[in-house]
Amino acid sequence: QKEVEQNSGPLSVPEGAIASLNCTYSDRGSQSFFWYRQYSGKSPELIMSIYSNGDKEDGRFTAQLNKASQYVSLLIRDSQPSDSATYLCAVNDQAGTALIFGKGTTLSVSS
Amino acid sequence: DVKVTQSSRYLVKRTGEKVFLECVQDMDHENMFWYRQDPGLGLRLIYFSYDVKMKEKGDIPEGYSVSREKKERFSLILESASTNQTSMYLCASSPPTGSVLYEQYFGPGTRLTVT
Repeated sequence: QKEVEQNSGPLSVPEGAIASLNCTYSDRGSQSFFWYRQYSGKSPELIMSIYSNGDKEDGRFTAQLNKASQYVSLLIRDSQPSDSATYLCAVNDQAGTALIFGKGTTLSVSS
Repeated sequence: DVKVTQSSRYLVKRTGEKVFLECVQDMDHENMFWYRQDPGLGLRLIYFSYDVKMKEKGDIPEGYSVSREKKERFSLILESASTNQTSMYLCASSPPTGSVLYEQYFGPGTRLTVT
């Protein structure tokens, strides 16, 4: 059974702090990794994709991938109350077509 | 910008009714997906399609069928709605498998209530 594991949280950080969200996956053949943000009652919104080992930065967001450890993370710098949401980690399956989603980590940023 | 639209944001149906959920994407994507999302269970894949008239079962296809007659449109059909199909239904689309940037984009979702 292919799995993507995330800590459900809630993860609480003060405004301006760095939020660190983590994800592990079981399928060693996975090649594509994604982070989605989902506000309550809304659909998931793609915020980061990463395909090779290392770091990828986009504004306040940094995705980190370590395929050897089967680990992907998302760092949010200078966290804002508007970052409060559930963050879903997704990994493609070995066939490459479907994504396997974690159940999400709820982030709460307090002002 | 990728745009995925779904026919209804909210829908209330009675047990036993046949229900159609429509999804349209404007990015010429080959792949389209239907998920349902329930508290504590996360996103679960119902069906997906990688081409017109092609379909593949996902993790929970029972009680559902799909139709893809045109590339931009993917329909989810609940043959006989039951209360345990009350859920948020999400449609997504993506470029073909093997694309350099293989990213799925979601529609706004349809919250279906079956009474």
